[in-house]
Parts: sequence; structure tokens; C-alpha cells
Amino acid sequence: GENVEQHPSTLSVQEGDSAVIKCTYSDSASNYFPWYKQELGKRPQLIIDIRSNVGEKKDQRIAVTLNKTAKHFSLHITETQPEDSAVYFCASRTSGTYKYIFGTGTRLKVLA
Amino acid sequence: DAGVTQSPTHLIKTRGQHVTLRCSPISGHKSVSWYQQVLGQGPQFIFQYYEKEERGRGNFPDRFSARQFPNYSSELNVNALLLGDSALYLCASSMTRHETQYFGPGTRLLVL
Repeated sequence: GENVEQHPSTLSVQEGDSAVIKCTYSDSASNYFPWYKQELGKRPQLIIDIRSNVGEKKDQRIAVTLNKTAKHFSLHITETQPEDSAVYFCASRTSGTYKYIFGTGTRLKVLA
Repeated sequence: DAGVTQSPTHLIKTRGQHVTLRCSPISGHKSVSWYQQVLGQGPQFIFQYYEKEERGRGNFPDRFSARQFPNYSSELNVNALLLGDSALYLCASSMTRHETQYFGPGTRLLVL
């Protein structure tokens, strides 16, 4: 069935360093890949997304890359700040369906 | 512009009871999806509704049902509650089925 694997499950970085979170999807028909940030007790917030016709997308300190051949996509956060600490979820959506399949989440801790 | 709203914010029920959760989408959004998020995991897709019709269903038992009203708000109903139904129930709205989903704050359900 459809599946999204996400690694690592926890990630600690020093403030100012970069953080990378990786996801692998199983359904080759997936065509849309959003990333959500969820702070404790709060709703998931969309931070960036990418469609399958694009290889990379940047928004200030955040970037997402997509390798369709390998069915991998990654979130890159540069110059991390303490407020980046949260759980990050990747997701995929398959063309023709309307449900998101989420990864298991990565707890990012940015140490001051 | 108001975001997605959900009610109630918290709920405590006992096994065997029934629960109704409510969601109001962002103004202009016609699609509502429901997700179950168990502690420490990513959201799991339950239903998607668009233009008042069910457009997608996840792997949940028939105890779970939903509907969408003419004003595009939605209800999720769960019958015969089990302890394992304890979770954060998230509603997400999008303009159409194909557009980005934006999440509400969730309803935290505890089944005792």
C-alpha cells in the first residue's frame, strides 16, 4: 500500500547549523509533497510544498528537493533558530486521489 | 480571514459512547478532510468530502462516518468508542480537492 518513510525520528542541531530531513514515498504516481511543522499542542502548519514537475523549491531559510527517480524528497533548513524546534511531517498525495499520506515525523531540537 | 475552526477543543468520553466533532472550513473552501493523529505519529487520513459528497475514505471501520453540509462545514461521527480512538482529530480544508490543505487546531478526544 501507499507508504511514506521519514528519517530521522529525532534531530538535534546547534543554532545556526543546517538540518536535513528525508522522506521516501512508495507510490510512483504521487505528484504533490507538502511539509508541515507542528509545535506542541498546535495544528500542523504548511511550511513549504513541491509538485512533481519541479526539482527544488526555496523559501528563505527553507528548501525542499525532489528526486522522482529515487522517490525521495528532503527538507533543508539553514541557519536554524530555536523557534525552528518542532515536529516536522512530510506527506505525499497521489494523482487522482485526494488524501495525504504522512510520514511518522521528525522532532527537531535547535540548541541555543 | 479566519482559519479552519473545530469544536469542541477537548472531549472526554467512555467506551461504547458516540461522539460528534465539527469543522468549519476557511471561507471559500469547498473541500474538507478528516485525519486522526495518535500521539507520536503522523496524521492518518479518514475521509475527504467535496461539494457535500464523500470523495475518499481511509482504512477506518464503519464506526466512523462523516458528512458535509451545504455551507461546507462538516461533522465526523464515531460510534461505539474504543480506547484506541483516543487521539487528536484534525480537520483540513482546501479550495478544491487538488489544492493545498490547511489544518484546524484539532479536537483532542480521550476515551476512558
